[in-house]
Amino acid sequence: DTGVSQNPRHKITKRGQNVTFRCDPISEHNRLYWYRQTLGQGPEFLTYFQNEAQLEKSRLLSDRFSAERPKGSFSTLEIQRTEQGDSAMYLCASSFTTNTIYFGEGSWLTVV
Amino acid sequence: AQSVTQPDIHITVSEGASLELRCNYSYGATPYLFWYVQSPGQGLQLLLKYFSGDTLVQGIKGFEAEFKRSQSSFNLRKPSVHWSDAAEYFCAVGDRNAGNMLTFGGGTRLMVKP
Repeated sequence: DTGVSQNPRHKITKRGQNVTFRCDPISEHNRLYWYRQTLGQGPEFLTYFQNEAQLEKSRLLSDRFSAERPKGSFSTLEIQRTEQGDSAMYLCASSFTTNTIYFGEGSWLTVV
Repeated sequence: AQSVTQPDIHITVSEGASLELRCNYSYGATPYLFWYVQSPGQGLQLLLKYFSGDTLVQGIKGFEAEFKRSQSSFNLRKPSVHWSDAAEYFCAVGDRNAGNMLTFGGGTRLMVKP
């Protein structure tokens, strides 16, 4: 296993710009999750996919956020019209059905 | 709705001393429970998990945790702390009915004195 891979690891963007993060899960993991973590807090659930189907979305996921997982492999998380409050680490995780959830290293977003 | 409380925001222990990090959860049925560790600027590494069976679970790096249903607790323990254990520790409960979606506590920051 190469682990869960996230890109880019760091992104600085101006307020109002769009950003996209990519997550490559562990091979053959059918579940993929996105979480958001702000400084000093625990991660908060955003959304999860089983294969290509998006099955749960948190109310934290406003209309400016969209996630996709085409073909049930990698996933992207796009944030449109970024705001300073979007500054956080975005964590991706994957699992095989109900087994252990493995996290990636995270993607840091700073909105200036 | 499920929730997790980690009552201690910061804990400082001396190297070689024992450690216990507290975790209390709220969940309607038998929970999936996890402890993760996070070093600064890094992702989360799984220390151990409880799904069912033996209520005392062993994890990596010499950590263990005990599930106590009557107290809704899943405390993490280590008999002898090493300086490299300094990090943030998160307890989480998984929702069996929602794809094992995790709800995390606020974390406990562990500092180790030489």
